[in-house]
Amino acid sequence: QQQVKQSPQSLIVQKGGIPIINCAYENTAFDYFPWYQQFPGKGPALLIAIRPDVSEKKEGRFTISFNKSAKQFSLHIMDSQPGDSATYFCAAAQGAQKLVFGQGTRLTINP
Amino acid sequence: NAGVTQTPKFQVLKTGQSMTLQCAQDMNHEYMSWYRQDPGMGLRLIHYSVGAGITDQGEVPNGYNVSRSTTEDFPLRLLSAAPSQTSVYFCASSYFETQYFGPGTRLLVL
Repeated sequence: QQQVKQSPQSLIVQKGGIPIINCAYENTAFDYFPWYQQFPGKGPALLIAIRPDVSEKKEGRFTISFNKSAKQFSLHIMDSQPGDSATYFCAAAQGAQKLVFGQGTRLTINP
Repeated sequence: NAGVTQTPKFQVLKTGQSMTLQCAQDMNHEYMSWYRQDPGMGLRLIHYSVGAGITDQGEVPNGYNVSRSTTEDFPLRLLSAAPSQTSVYFCASSYFETQYFGPGTRLLVL
């Protein structure tokens, strides 16, 4: 049973566009929702994270939107650049340690 | 400060062989964990440790053993490798909320 469902599996956007990646979770005990970025041949790296007491968090060009009642959260990348091309994973955890990951989204930003 | 290191980078095993994937961190983090990454399935937690001498199972622990004798090291053991264990394995250590992942070990079981 996939506790965190992520979509789409792949996404192609033109430079400057705003890719949006969506995730839905089932366990209402989750209280920490990070996004990880992974480049080919590398380990995932924390990009941005949110707690359920806020509905939005921005860090630079990256924004998380969080809808607690719908049990959904999403990642928006403003003014996307070719260097943002990577695989993105959402995750959820209770207490921030035992992460449950989504399936991943392979994002390509065309020049 | 090397962060999280993993060895080897790549390994080929035959079915039934055993091996140990090494993981070390130099950040003095108490929490360490092992994940496997498979296409279309994201990363799944295998085992984790909240400190030296303490380990527990994650989502997919079958076929894997761990131990934690020091804060720095958290090896993952495959006692009898199976083709289903072909995957990329990531070790991570964490400080509060941020988990720092190593570069991964690619394992192929024939």
